[in-house]
Amino acid sequence: GGIITQTPKFLIGQEGQKLTLKCQQNFNHDTMYWYRQDSGKGLRLIYYSITENDLQKGDLSEGYDASREKKSSFSLTVTSAQKNEMAVFLCASSLAGTSAETLYFGSGTRLTVL
Amino acid sequence: GDSVTQTEGQVALSEEDFLTIHCNYSASGYPALFWYVQYPGEGPQFLFRASRDKEKGSSRGFEATYDKGTTSFHLRKASVQESDSAVYYCALGETNAYKVIFGKGTHLHVLP
Repeated sequence: GGIITQTPKFLIGQEGQKLTLKCQQNFNHDTMYWYRQDSGKGLRLIYYSITENDLQKGDLSEGYDASREKKSSFSLTVTSAQKNEMAVFLCASSLAGTSAETLYFGSGTRLTVL
Repeated sequence: GDSVTQTEGQVALSEEDFLTIHCNYSASGYPALFWYVQYPGEGPQFLFRASRDKEKGSSRGFEATYDKGTTSFHLRKASVQESDSAVYYCALGETNAYKVIFGKGTHLHVLP
């Protein structure tokens, strides 16, 4: 089995600050995803990466950057944190192939912006 | 674009009640359809999947049947337990692509 580790678990930032969230997986999966989870809105795709150094925008990419420099890691940057923003950011990975593969999720990073 | 609609935001049941959570999708081709379950403080976990019309997916007493005619993948369980209390997400894997799209989730509360 494998695991997805997200750091930090809790992130508190100030308005306008650039904030970086990290994700590591030891499944040896090719594809990785970042989702944002808001109460009542489900999971919305921010970025995904099919392989190392690949980046694809999801439906919610504005205001975010991503980086996939190694197969095992995928980082997400909030370019300018919005005041009173609260959300959980979930990282996931899947075996190479298509979107029919199972996603394996980390336990999330909870962001609060003061 | 492709989308997933879960009708119920919250469902409250008593133990041993029958559960139905509705999921409808809009997509071209034959997308893979999934159910995931999320417990407090954890990320979503894969429950099961179906990839073609009339295919039934099942796990832990939960089941759903892929219905292309009604574009539905409704989650059912004959007798719920308190431990089934969680958020359930229906999801769609876009055909010939890598994107996985989730519904808004349904919060199931099972009372003892």
